[in-house]
Amino acid sequence: GESVGLHLPTLSVQEGDNSIINCAYSNSASDYFIWYKQESGKGPQFIIDIRSNMDKRQGQRVTVLLNKTVKHLSLQIAATQPGDSAVYFCAENTFSGGYNKLIFGAGTRLAVHP
Amino acid sequence: GAGVSQSPSNKVTEKGKDVELRCDPISGHTALYWYRQSLGQGLEFLIYFQGNSAPDKSGLPSDRFSAERTGGSVSTLTIQRTQQEDSAVYLCASSHRDRLYGYTFGSGTRLTVV
Repeated sequence: GESVGLHLPTLSVQEGDNSIINCAYSNSASDYFIWYKQESGKGPQFIIDIRSNMDKRQGQRVTVLLNKTVKHLSLQIAATQPGDSAVYFCAENTFSGGYNKLIFGAGTRLAVHP
Repeated sequence: GAGVSQSPSNKVTEKGKDVELRCDPISGHTALYWYRQSLGQGLEFLIYFQGNSAPDKSGLPSDRFSAERTGGSVSTLTIQRTQQEDSAVYLCASSHRDRLYGYTFGSGTRLTVV
């Protein structure tokens, strides 16, 4: 079935470096994507979103890039900090059963080292 | 309340017992979702409630799983005759209608079946 997956299960970076987390999706009809951050013992927290009519969106220290040609999504974190250590999920929106539903990937763990 | 509240935060139960997990969504949010997150895995959709409409139960893994939403607010996820493979974190999210950008997760209930 349709799915969202991630290229890398873990990513280790040095504090201050830029991080890039990648995600591949398979449903070409998906029109909305979200990145979530999940810290240990907490629920996923919204980071940034992007609609399919855009290819780039920037937030505070984060940028999401969308390449619909190859069905690829990435999250860039600038000047990574220890507080960025968490599991990051991408999610794509599917319209199923008359409503919007998010399909999540398996997640990438980001480890930031001092 | 200010956020999505789930209780209990942790639950240990013996195999074969029934458990009930509770979710208090954000006041005014009409859409409510349950997800399951197994250790080191992504989020698996279980069930969706929207207002007074019939819920989408397509993600429930077996007939041992059921959920209710009373008065369009509080939801209870019930697992009967628990099995060890039911051990996971159960996450609840709510949003206004199905506006995905307003999708807010609770901290989850960690269920351990021994």
